[in-house]
Amino acid sequence: DQQVKQNSPSLSVQEGRISILNCDYTNSMFDYFLWYKKYPAEGPTFLISISSIKDKNEDGRFTVFLNKSAKHLSLHIVPSQPGDSAVYFCAASAQLGNYQLIWGAGTKLIIKP
Amino acid sequence: SQTIHQWPATLVQPVGSPLSLECTVEGTSNPNLYWYRQAAGRGLQLLFYSVGIGQISSEVPQNLSASRPQDRQFILSSKKLLLSDSGFYLCAWRARGGHGRPYNSPLHFGNGTRLTVT
Repeated sequence: DQQVKQNSPSLSVQEGRISILNCDYTNSMFDYFLWYKKYPAEGPTFLISISSIKDKNEDGRFTVFLNKSAKHLSLHIVPSQPGDSAVYFCAASAQLGNYQLIWGAGTKLIIKP
Repeated sequence: SQTIHQWPATLVQPVGSPLSLECTVEGTSNPNLYWYRQAAGRGLQLLFYSVGIGQISSEVPQNLSASRPQDRQFILSSKKLLLSDSGFYLCAWRARGGHGRPYNSPLHFGNGTRLTVT
């Protein structure tokens, strides 16, 4: 049972444009959401998180939006840069789940020059 | 600042041989520690986590085991490797809240070990 889903295995975006990565979840008890970026042969790097009491969190070029009614979150990267090419994972956790992170399968973002 | 060290970076082992991967964390105390595996083209699979010395929880029954002999040291082991054990192994740490309780916070990963079982 996939509680966190990233339905797009890959996404190609022109450099300078906006990249939008999507993530859906099924467990309404999730109250904390995170995005990670992963380069090949490296560990994932934490990007940004959002608590369920918010619907938006921004950090530089990265903004995460949370739509609790739709059980959907998205990561916006503006403007996209070549170094943003990586695999992006979303993850979620719930206090009732002892805060264990549940991971999506990842989306590979390719930034075209 | 906190850092996490994981070694070796790459490892090629024959089927049936033992395995020992080590992870240490610096700059924090009493962290939660995690071992993950990423199979080729797949997501992150939690293997083990530890909330304290000698306390190990296994998420997936398999050929691997974990130990935490010291507060900031986490070891992944196998007595006999299988071909299916090949993958990218990641160690991670997470801060704990007041009174050692878990809370919503990010995991911080090491650079991983690429294990190839031949």
